[in-house]
Amino acid sequence: EDQVTQSPEALRLQEGESSSLNCSYTVSGLRGLFWYRQDPGKGPEFLFTLYSAGEEKEKERLKATLTKKESFLHITAPKPEDSATYLCAVPMIKAAGNKLTFGGGTRVLVKP
Amino acid sequence: EAGVAQSPRYKIIEKRQSVAFWCNPISGHATLYWYQQILGQGPKLLIQFQNNGVVDDSQLPKDRFSAERLKGVDSTLKIQPAKLEDSAVYLCASSLESGPPLHFGNGTRLTVT
Repeated sequence: EDQVTQSPEALRLQEGESSSLNCSYTVSGLRGLFWYRQDPGKGPEFLFTLYSAGEEKEKERLKATLTKKESFLHITAPKPEDSATYLCAVPMIKAAGNKLTFGGGTRVLVKP
Repeated sequence: EAGVAQSPRYKIIEKRQSVAFWCNPISGHATLYWYQQILGQGPKLLIQFQNNGVVDDSQLPKDRFSAERLKGVDSTLKIQPAKLEDSAVYLCASSLESGPPLHFGNGTRLTVT
C-alpha cells in the first residue's frame, strides 16, 4: 500500500540548533514530493516541490533533499519563527486524479 | 493574487445537526479539493473536483457527506447528520488543471458536541 510517513512527530530545538525532518514514502513512479508549512489556525503553505533523486531546494533556513525512498527537510540555525508543523505529501499515481496524500507532519518548536 | 477563500472560520454544532462549508478557489484553478484534518494528523482527501466533475471521492463518507461544485468555480461541502468524530478542520484547496502544488485556504474548524 502506498504510504507517506514522517518522523519525528515532534521536535523541540533551541534557537540556532540545526536539525532534519524525515519523510519516507512507498510509492512507485514518484511524480513529485511536496513540502508544506502549517501554522496554527492556518492552512498548509506550499514550500517546495522535488521531482528526482538528488534534487535539492532551498528557502531561507530550509533545505529539502530527495532520495529514492525519502526526503529530508533540513533546518539550519532555526529561529523561533520557524516553529510550525511541516508536512510532506506525495501524489498516489494509482489513485484517481493522482490523489495528493499527506504524512502526519512534524511539529517543530524553536525556543529562543 | 487572491488566495482560497473559505467560510465560516469556526462552527459549533450538536451531533445529528447539519452544517455546510463554502469555498471559493483561486481564479483560474480548475481543480478543487476538500480535505479533512483531525487534530494532530495530516490532511486527508475527501473529494477532488476537476471543473464540475468529481475525480476522486473514495474517502468521502457518502451516507452523511455531500459536496458540489456548480459552474466549476466555488464549492460547498455538507455534513448531515454530523457525528462527534466529524470534529476537525475542513480545508479547501485548489490547483491548476495540471495538478499540484495545491494552494490551501485557512479552513473551517468544526466542533461537534
